[in-house]
Amino acid sequence: GESVGLHLPTLSVQEGDNSIINCAYSNSASDYFIWYKQESGKGPQFIIDIRSNMDKRQGQRVTVLLNKTVKHLSLQIAATQPGDSAVYFCAEAGNSGGSNYKLTFGKGTLLTVNP
Amino acid sequence: ETGVTQTPRHLVMGMTNKKSLKCEQHLGHNAMYWYKQSAKKPLELMFVYNFKEQTENNSVPSRFSPECPNSSHLFLHLHTLQPEDSALYLCASSLNVPGAWTDTQYFGPGTRLTVL
Repeated sequence: GESVGLHLPTLSVQEGDNSIINCAYSNSASDYFIWYKQESGKGPQFIIDIRSNMDKRQGQRVTVLLNKTVKHLSLQIAATQPGDSAVYFCAEAGNSGGSNYKLTFGKGTLLTVNP
Repeated sequence: ETGVTQTPRHLVMGMTNKKSLKCEQHLGHNAMYWYKQSAKKPLELMFVYNFKEQTENNSVPSRFSPECPNSSHLFLHLHTLQPEDSALYLCASSLNVPGAWTDTQYFGPGTRLTVL
């Protein structure tokens, strides 16, 4: 899940297993959520997004689940591969009382895939 | 590749130097952003530009000076930086600037800046 301290959460899985990365968000007004993947030395790469009128969305090998009741978001990666090793972080967007949306990023989770 | 390029990829500068970071997007987007990514911290939004006009300055010190000559190019001019400014500086673009809705932001590879 997301870190509230200085340490980046880590998840270590075996190649071929499924991975689940969690994210808790705080703004109940958030209605758009994105998962990004950031490999070492690269910028964040868009993976999948979901709007609050949905609770599940599937992509290629990835599924995002949204539970608005408990303000929880998860990213499921099927048949995890070594190339999936990266930092994954979620971002939420919503109107926090102002006139414009704000995109707020979490700290991220480091996924390590063992061959 | 995401369609957003940044140069240089690495930069080392002294506190008295003046340097500039460049970002270019080939996606036909109207909004561009500068973010700072420090170790073990979430991405910090610095500036937002919409159709070349600055729409947000997130309380960034004046030693960082952005410039957006057109919707495809964004610069970050640096002068008299401090060692704590060392970080990965990321540029992003989106179709439109967040308003009543938000579009996905696509990131460049970043410039790794070290201030000595």
